[in-house]
Amino acid sequence: SQQGEEDPQALSIQEGENATMNCSYKTSINNLQWYRQNSGRGLVHLILIRSNEREKHSGRLRVTLDTSKKSSSLLITASRAADTASYFCATDDPQVNAGNNRKLIWGLGTSLAVNP
Amino acid sequence: SQTIHQWPATLVQPVGSPLSLECTVEGTSNPNLYWYRQAAGRGLQLLFYSVGIGQISSEVPQNLSASRPQDRQFILSSKKLLLSDSGFYLCAWTRVGLETQYFGPGTRLLVL
Repeated sequence: SQQGEEDPQALSIQEGENATMNCSYKTSINNLQWYRQNSGRGLVHLILIRSNEREKHSGRLRVTLDTSKKSSSLLITASRAADTASYFCATDDPQVNAGNNRKLIWGLGTSLAVNP
Repeated sequence: SQTIHQWPATLVQPVGSPLSLECTVEGTSNPNLYWYRQAAGRGLQLLFYSVGIGQISSEVPQNLSASRPQDRQFILSSKKLLLSDSGFYLCAWTRVGLETQYFGPGTRLLVL
């Protein structure tokens, strides 16, 4: 069952603006990951943040993690039309992934539209 | 480098017909393999995963089945498709020691 919940479900912004998406989860985690999916394509991994990290950067991406609130945010700065996609968070639950299962718990995604 | 292939890319099938979707991974050995289904505008639903040849775990009871006849081959099958089987099917792999999943391009299935 899905445990991650992203909000907003949909976001529409102008090119050059920043986009912020949030993810909440319910259990303890080893790490939280963000993935991107262009329409009709497979998912692509963007960034991973571990449970003992609070913030991580990769290019125009900034991810924060608050384990006390069980939430994460993904910030895309200076957005471009090419950033238009759906963004998913996924968590790695240490109780689920004992051994080598490596199952991820997925959110429902945020659909981002960046208008030129 | 590792690559993952899925075929076909698109499939239109009548209700009651059989299904076989194939996923293969290149450039790695002993991967964990996953089949997901994604309904339009929705998140990912894990259908099956496999940690080795012949080892299949089912997440959701349904009329689909999965098999892993070779180390880097994962097949999703059905004997009789239902309308509700329509969706976007994604295969993914990872490996013990990795935390990221790597996805194939997906197969869009339309059951009419």
